[in-house]
Amino acid sequence: EAQVTQNPRYLITVTGKKLTVTCSQNMNHEYMSWYRQDPGLGLRQIYYSMNVEVTDKGDVPEGYKVSRKEKRNFPLILESPSPNQTSLYFCASSSGRGRFGETQYFGPGTRLLVL
Amino acid sequence: EDQVTQSPEALRLQEGESSSLNCSYTVSGLRGLFWYRQDPGKGPEFLFTLYSAGEEKEKERLKATLTKKESFLHITAPKPEDSATYLCAVQARGTRGGSEKLVFGKGTKLTVNP
Repeated sequence: EAQVTQNPRYLITVTGKKLTVTCSQNMNHEYMSWYRQDPGLGLRQIYYSMNVEVTDKGDVPEGYKVSRKEKRNFPLILESPSPNQTSLYFCASSSGRGRFGETQYFGPGTRLLVL
Repeated sequence: EDQVTQSPEALRLQEGESSSLNCSYTVSGLRGLFWYRQDPGKGPEFLFTLYSAGEEKEKERLKATLTKKESFLHITAPKPEDSATYLCAVQARGTRGGSEKLVFGKGTKLTVNP
């Protein structure tokens, strides 16, 4: 079954404690992306990756890091989380071919609370 | 700056009452406009891609159209199961100069009452 998995699904942490949210896809997709979704602000792209070792900033990259060492994995790293990073996070992947929003598969989401 | 604006923010319809959702955009060099459906607590689900003005796509009770400045999602004779938030997104130019960034609108929350 084609899918994007994220872990953990729920996380409560404290300010400054480094954390990583993992994302994995089993569709051999080149394009992967991280979003955050906040009430009233909608879905905003944090980082995206065109392929292994190729990443770029989305609209809200501050406070986040990513890496793409393998095609299937695209972890999101919060080096020093702050309360304003409390949000619902989605990972997504698509086959690309120039139309990266096309048939983009989303993961189930990770709900993060930073105290 | 690339922008996507959706209206209305929320829409209530009676079952069978047709209507349209709007997505207006400003982006340099549109590479694609995408519609998604999102149910509460879940990730968005892809519906349509539109590439050029005049293009139309249909799926069951939904029809998406595109002009040079906006897109419409027409819902014909909606049913309660069509209740969801509908998101519009455009592919825009990234910092590397290519068009890889995706910009989403805030969505329209549709409620269809039986």
